[in-house]
Amino acid sequence: DARVTQTPRDKVTEMGQEVTMRCQPILGHNTVFWYRQTMMQGLELLAYFRNRAPLDDSGMPKDRFSAEMPDATLATLKIQPSEPRDSAVYFCASGFFSSAQDTQYFGPGTRLTVL
Amino acid sequence: DAKTTQPNSMESNEEEPVHLPCNHSTISGTDYIHWYRQLPSQGPEYVIHGLTSNVNNRMASLAIAEDRKSSTLILHRATLRDAAVYYCIHWRAGNMLTFGGGTRLMVKP
Repeated sequence: DARVTQTPRDKVTEMGQEVTMRCQPILGHNTVFWYRQTMMQGLELLAYFRNRAPLDDSGMPKDRFSAEMPDATLATLKIQPSEPRDSAVYFCASGFFSSAQDTQYFGPGTRLTVL
Repeated sequence: DAKTTQPNSMESNEEEPVHLPCNHSTISGTDYIHWYRQLPSQGPEYVIHGLTSNVNNRMASLAIAEDRKSSTLILHRATLRDAAVYYCIHWRAGNMLTFGGGTRLMVKP
């Protein structure tokens, strides 16, 4: 079974530190999404890429967050500097996303705690 | 914004059918209706989708109203493993999936 993998699964860090989260999309999928989930806001889309090119990152705080796809097998989400309000579960998802029938496949998430 | 309305929570007994409702009054003609679910401590997973006709797969059935302004996800025999948050979404190609609050399904043994 092909799966989206994410590392690390859990991350505890102190305010001001840099955090990098990694995602390996399912091989062949051309679209990668980053979501953030909190109790208060639910599941929010932060950014997404198609064929490694960023298409929309309007959901992301630009001053501290950055998302990249250095190659087709790796997507990264970086927070610098991290703040306590960034504490959340961050999900990566991949898919084809060429029609409204396409589905997204989510990874297990990275639980981030910023102290 | 593609907005859906779902009850916050529902309860079911194990091995009984569960009908999870969703209202999507702003749906347009080309929007598909998708259902995802999120098990505890996991990422969301796809359940089923449809456009106009009712749909069945190994996980569930999807009943879509004739005017398409509502739909119902049907779990034919709930198990404890079906306890999750169920999200109903309608979207069209080019737009993003917007997840609402979902329905938390609790299954009692």
